[in-house]
Amino acid sequence: GDSVTQMEGPVTLSEEAFLTINCTYTATGYPSLFWYVQYPGEGLQLLLKATKADDKGSNKGFEATYRKETTSFHLEKGSVQVSDSAVYFCALSERGSTLGRLYFGRGTQLTVWP
Amino acid sequence: KAGVTQTPRYLIKTRGQQVTLSCSPISGHRSVSWYQQTPGQGLQFLFEYFSETQRNKGNFPGRFSGRQFSNSRSEMNVSTLELGDSALYLCASKGVAGANVLTFGAGSRLTVL
Repeated sequence: GDSVTQMEGPVTLSEEAFLTINCTYTATGYPSLFWYVQYPGEGLQLLLKATKADDKGSNKGFEATYRKETTSFHLEKGSVQVSDSAVYFCALSERGSTLGRLYFGRGTQLTVWP
Repeated sequence: KAGVTQTPRYLIKTRGQQVTLSCSPISGHRSVSWYQQTPGQGLQFLFEYFSETQRNKGNFPGRFSGRQFSNSRSEMNVSTLELGDSALYLCASKGVAGANVLTFGAGSRLTVL
């Protein structure tokens, strides 16, 4: 079945450091891919998405590129801030599906120190 | 516009009791999904409702049930609570357009003693 594997961390970085959180997926066909972020005490917020191969999603300085050949969707940011401290989730939905079901990775806790 | 609203935010129950959680989706959204989040299992899909009909269900026992009303508000119910049901229950709504983008509520934190 469909699944997502992401590095679990925790990841600890200094402010302005480069961030990479790895995410790979298993799916039949070509799913849509997402990164969600969860701040303490809150629900999940969509960070970025990509719906087809080679698409690059970007938002708030974060980027991720849909790589079909490596079935990956790694999250990157060139210079992290303390305010980026949160848990990041990689997720997929079956391509063409209208159902509200996402398959999530286990989440990666990011802590950024000033 | 208002986001997804979940009530209550926090609740404490004892084993054997039942609980009902409520979710009001974004205005105009007809799809509501529920997820359970625990440290051990991560985010797991419970079920989805669309236009008052359950159209997708995850792998949870029958103690977990839900429903959706004509105004798209949804409730989920857990009967005969077990310690392992302690979790953050997240509701998400989805519009008809877009690549399955879900908008999540802040969640209901259930503690079972």
